[in-house]
Amino acid sequence: NAGVTQTPKFQVLKTGQSMTLQCAQDMNHNSMYWYRQDPGMGLRLIYYSASEGTTDKGEVPNGYNVSRLNKREFSLRLESAAPSQTSVYFCASSTETSPQETQYFGPGTRLLVL
Amino acid sequence: GENVEQHPSTLSVQEGDSAVIKCTYSDSASNYFPWYKQELGKRPQLIIDIRSNVGEKKDQRIAVTLNKTAKHFSLHITETQPEDSAVYFCAATAFSGGYNKLIFGAGTRLAVHP
Repeated sequence: NAGVTQTPKFQVLKTGQSMTLQCAQDMNHNSMYWYRQDPGMGLRLIYYSASEGTTDKGEVPNGYNVSRLNKREFSLRLESAAPSQTSVYFCASSTETSPQETQYFGPGTRLLVL
Repeated sequence: GENVEQHPSTLSVQEGDSAVIKCTYSDSASNYFPWYKQELGKRPQLIIDIRSNVGEKKDQRIAVTLNKTAKHFSLHITETQPEDSAVYFCAATAFSGGYNKLIFGAGTRLAVHP
């Protein structure tokens, strides 16, 4: 039981390049989330998926797109990376879309945009 | 918008001392308050949570108190140990855009010195 996994662990991009961050969970959770973590700002929600087939914007969705590929996988795409997107990205999952359900986080992807 | 303020941003204590981290929130409808611990280079992990119908909750050396009138809640760690060194995040629920989401504080870096 691996929990929540993310790939890659680290990525360097040039401004304007695109990439997709992958996330998968093996806990049969319905809900999945993408956060970004910046120094001094805690965790901010980018997008979430309440269940397979649905996605919704969080606090900071601009510049990102997501795909809930199936119940296990939730990917985050940067179409044209900008230096402001340099951050650590965490995927999380929970049984239901309710903050009172514990969110389990992946190990994170550290992204540097030059 | 909804906001969670967390203080202090850094905290240094001697092993065996107590540590207290305080958070205030702005949404009076918030009803769930989790605390996450993030060790260096690791993912955030839930350590304790409290719901609005409870004033205090304890789990071994960790306790959380909630004052709904004043809209603040606190994490108390007693008999601190070096392995308690980490960044701690508080969070509170906020209902926005049809979704009851978590708003995170900016984090407190706790250092426990032997």
